Parts: sequence; structure tokens; C-alpha cells
Amino acid sequence: AQSVAQPEDQVNVAEGNPLTVKCTYSVSGNPYLFWYVQYPNRGLQFLLKYITGDNLVKGSYGFEAEFNKSQTSFHLKKPSALVSDSALYFCAVRDSGGATNKLIFGTGTLLAVQP
Amino acid sequence: EAGVAQSPRYKIIEKRQSVAFWCNPISGHATLYWYQQILGQGPKLLIQFQNNGVVDDSQLPKDRFSAERLKGVDSTLKIQPAKLEDSAVYLCASSPGADRKNTEAFFGQGTRLTVV
Repeated sequence: AQSVAQPEDQVNVAEGNPLTVKCTYSVSGNPYLFWYVQYPNRGLQFLLKYITGDNLVKGSYGFEAEFNKSQTSFHLKKPSALVSDSALYFCAVRDSGGATNKLIFGTGTLLAVQP
Repeated sequence: EAGVAQSPRYKIIEKRQSVAFWCNPISGHATLYWYQQILGQGPKLLIQFQNNGVVDDSQLPKDRFSAERLKGVDSTLKIQPAKLEDSAVYLCASSPGADRKNTEAFFGQGTRLTVV
């Protein structure tokens, strides 16, 4: 069965500092990995994904994520945080070899960027 | 390209009443998902359709929840009777299909249900 873990309920960072939001996953086959962001009273917005190839993927709003197969991790990063980055972040996984394209989410991490 | 449309945006009902949510996915998307997101938690997959067939409904409380996707396009999710613990945001999402697993899912704005 596929699963995602986001070990931190909340991450606090000062504006201008680098940020990392952690995610680990479990799938039977090779993973397709996704990060989404959710602002208050909004749906989920896609940020970036890892499918294959380069382990460092770049996405929207200056975010990037690093895929690490040996650690089964896909941490979200940004070199310099903005107050406007404050939101709820979700990691999701899909089994590339699965019979369906079931998409499973983690519990989310609240990112709070202080001015 | 139009996004995923959901209605209503908000709904308040009393316990034991019934409620229905509607979703119109992105045109041409074969896969449609319904997720339940309780405040402070991640989205929990309730049911997944591929065209008009159910692919996964393992976490759907079938004694009170039902969903259908007639003609493989629009979908409705119904709760009857509602309980207080059904208070949540119900998110609909769509993606191209099982043959394009590398494509992300696109989400609607959700329906916030409050059961009192």
C-alpha cells in the first residue's frame, strides 16, 4: 500500500532564510511524487513533481524538491522564504507501476514565515 | 482551459439530513477523485472513478455516503444521513487517466460542509 509521512505539523522560519518541509513515502514500485500548497479557503494548487531523471526538481514560486531514493524522501525547499509562502503544504505519492493512478496525500505541514 | 468546478462552496445542514455535492472535472479527464479534508488534516481519498467506473472506494463509508459519475463526466457525492463528524471540506480533483500517471491532479475549490 502507498503512504506518505510528513513528520512536522508546523515549520517556522524567518523571512529571507532557507526553508525545508520534509516528506517520506512508501510505494511498491517506483514513485511519482508531488507537492501541493493550500491557502485558506482554497483548493490544492500544484507546485512541482518528480517523475524520473534529475533528483532536483524545480517548481512554481521558487520552490524546489530533492528526491532521495535511498532515504525514500522528497523534501520541499526554498532558498529564501517569503511571508507570502505561509500556507499548508502537502506531499503526495502515486505508484508508477500501480494498476490505477491512486493519489495519496500526507497529513500536511503548516509553514509559517515570520517577517 | 477551465478548471475543476464544484458546487456549492458552502453548506450547513442539521445532523440526519442529506446533502449532495457536484463536481465537473476538466474536459477529457478520465480520472475523478473525491477527497474528504477534515480541519487540520490531509485529504483522505473517499472514492476514485476511471471514466464512469469505480476504481477505489475502500475508504468510503458506504452506509451513508454514495457517489456516481454518470456518462463518465460530472459526478455527485451524497451523504445521507449526515453526522456531526462529516463536517469537512470535500475536494474534487481530476487527472487525465491511468495511462498518464505522471500527470498531476487538478483540484476544485472544495465544498465546506458544516453539520450542526
